[in-house]
This record gives sequence, structure tokens and C-alpha cells, in this order.
Amino acid sequence: SYVLTQSPSLSVAPGETARITCGGNNIGRRSVHWYQQKAGQAPLLVVNDDSDRPSGIPERFSGSNSGNTATLIISGVEAGDEADYYCQVWDSGTNSGVFGGGTKVTVL
Amino acid sequence: EVQLVESGGASVQPGGSLRLSCSASGFSFNRYAMNWVRQAPGKGLEWIAYISSTGSTVSYADSVKGRVTISRDKVDDFLFLQMNNLGVEDTAVYFCASHGFNYDFDYWGQGTLVTVS
Repeated sequence: SYVLTQSPSLSVAPGETARITCGGNNIGRRSVHWYQQKAGQAPLLVVNDDSDRPSGIPERFSGSNSGNTATLIISGVEAGDEADYYCQVWDSGTNSGVFGGGTKVTVL
Repeated sequence: EVQLVESGGASVQPGGSLRLSCSASGFSFNRYAMNWVRQAPGKGLEWIAYISSTGSTVSYADSVKGRVTISRDKVDDFLFLQMNNLGVEDTAVYFCASHGFNYDFDYWGQGTLVTVS
């Protein structure tokens, strides 16, 4: 089965740029989606199809995907961005969803 | 406004059964495939089940295959997850999530807690 790998944690100062990576074999050939989950809340889709933003998501959130790494980029990090972030792909061969292990972002 | 509301979570003994429900409103439920995703305490997200918009296609994660059944009620806009032979490893918050056209999970419910002990 397909495996997505994320670093467990990332610390970033307010106003800086956070880059959260998601590794997978030839992930650049897949469509990658990113979710933000704050403590005690349901996940929220923040980037879909590698780099698109759903309605209502700030422009500070963007994404890229190439080769074996997809990246969620949060520009001008704010205290409210502190959360767990998960990448996800859909494996059409097995008709199944795959999540990365999640990255906990701490705003210093 | 899209709303997904899960219910049916409870505390059960190992080997027990539960049926989770997800009420959908604010969108054309019958046009969307749906999923169940779970999250064990302090752990990450785990996709466990998918059902197509018509209900004709279903798929399951290996961790639950043979023990759970996903289904949907097209008349009353409900999604269900029948879970049997529950083990302690099934303790988690269970979320229903709509299946976006980009194969993402675009809307989520708030989740319902299942505790097996």
C-alpha cells in the first residue's frame, strides 16, 4: 500500500514561513490534499489538488508537489495556525484513502 | 450550509457491535461519495471506508475489512457504519467526510467517540 511520510513536528516564529513536507514514492504524479486539525476539532481542508485553496481559506496557505515530495506552505504564520497538518492522497488502484502521519506545527 | 452530524458512538465491550450514523444536509447528498475516517486518541487520521454516490461501490481499509459495513440511505440522506467484533484498537473518534471531486475529503462532521474496553 502507498505510504506518506511527514515529519512529526515543526516550530516556527510568528510572521515566518512554515514548510510542511509529505514524502511518497513519485508523489508528484498524484493529487495531494492538506488538512488542518486544531485541538478538539474536525479536520479542515486547506489545500486540495496540490495547490488549490477551497473557498474561505486564506491566501497564506499554498502548496506544491513534485518528484517525491509535496509541500504545504504557510506564509506569515499566525498564532491561530498552530495545529496538526495532514497530507492525503487517494489510491485509485485500491480505491482507498491514504493519510500521512501528521505534522504538529507549533508557533513560538 | 453543508452539515454532517455523526451519532451512535458509545462505550462497548470487546466483541460488541455498534452502528454509527451520519446525517447530511445542505448539499446534494445523492451526488456525493462518502467516507468514514477515524482517529485513535492522540494519533493521526486513518481512512477506513468509502461508498460511491449510488452505493454500488464500497471499499475498506485492511484494518477493518470483514468487520465493518458502510451503507447509505438515499431517501433520508444518512450514511451508516455497522461495526462488529469490536476490539480495543477500534477505540477512536469516527468522522464522516464527503468525497470531493478531486478525491479529497471536503466536508467533515464533528465526529462521534467509540470506546471499546
